Amino acid sequence: GAGVSQSPRYKVAKRGQDVALRCDPISGHVSLFWYQQALGQGPEFLTYFQNEAQLDKSGLPSDRFFAERPEGSVSTLKIQRTQQEDSAVYLCASSFGTIGGVNQPQHFGDGTRLSIL
Amino acid sequence: GQQVMQIPQYQHVQEGEDFTTYCNSSTTLSNIQWYKQRPGGHPVFLIQLVKSGEVKKQKRLTFQFGEAKKNSSLHITATQTTDVGTYFCAGHRTGTASKLTFGTGTRLQVTL
Repeated sequence: GAGVSQSPRYKVAKRGQDVALRCDPISGHVSLFWYQQALGQGPEFLTYFQNEAQLDKSGLPSDRFFAERPEGSVSTLKIQRTQQEDSAVYLCASSFGTIGGVNQPQHFGDGTRLSIL
Repeated sequence: GQQVMQIPQYQHVQEGEDFTTYCNSSTTLSNIQWYKQRPGGHPVFLIQLVKSGEVKKQKRLTFQFGEAKKNSSLHITATQTTDVGTYFCAGHRTGTASKLTFGTGTRLQVTL
């Protein structure tokens, strides 16, 4: 399809394990965002890429969280030494960025539901 | 940091009744976007407002952006069961092009 694709849809890991979450944005979208959504809450910004450059990582909760987008397309969010509080849905979104000074709508993937045991 | 609050947190209406959710930001926003998230789904973009005092309509939905660009509202006329979901406002603080801050959301339940 033409939407944002995320994999895996579900991930269960034991506390202390490393996990990697993948996002395949809409073709042509220069901007890519990662969000963390806890149950019953709104998405919380984690990080933002413009093409391959990570321009804002102010939302990453700790240095255990790392994101990359090496070729300006697919992005990976990695969480090292997972902890129970990392359990959440991780959403990826992409957009055309800013056009004429106006932020363009973000298109979200279905997310990865991460459960840490 | 920037906070975006929505009220009410939850509303249950009967089909045909109207519904309104209010969004308030602690800081001035350059724009406000509204998203709808169905249970088990992902946020879907509804609309964006950019100008102070702007009002936009989409069929039964009316969106407003406050004069001070710190608050917004979404009004649904004659709700239908297909309107069920959580409605989030989200805004960019003036001067930040990247970070979109989502509101706390209002969950709408519609019954026959």
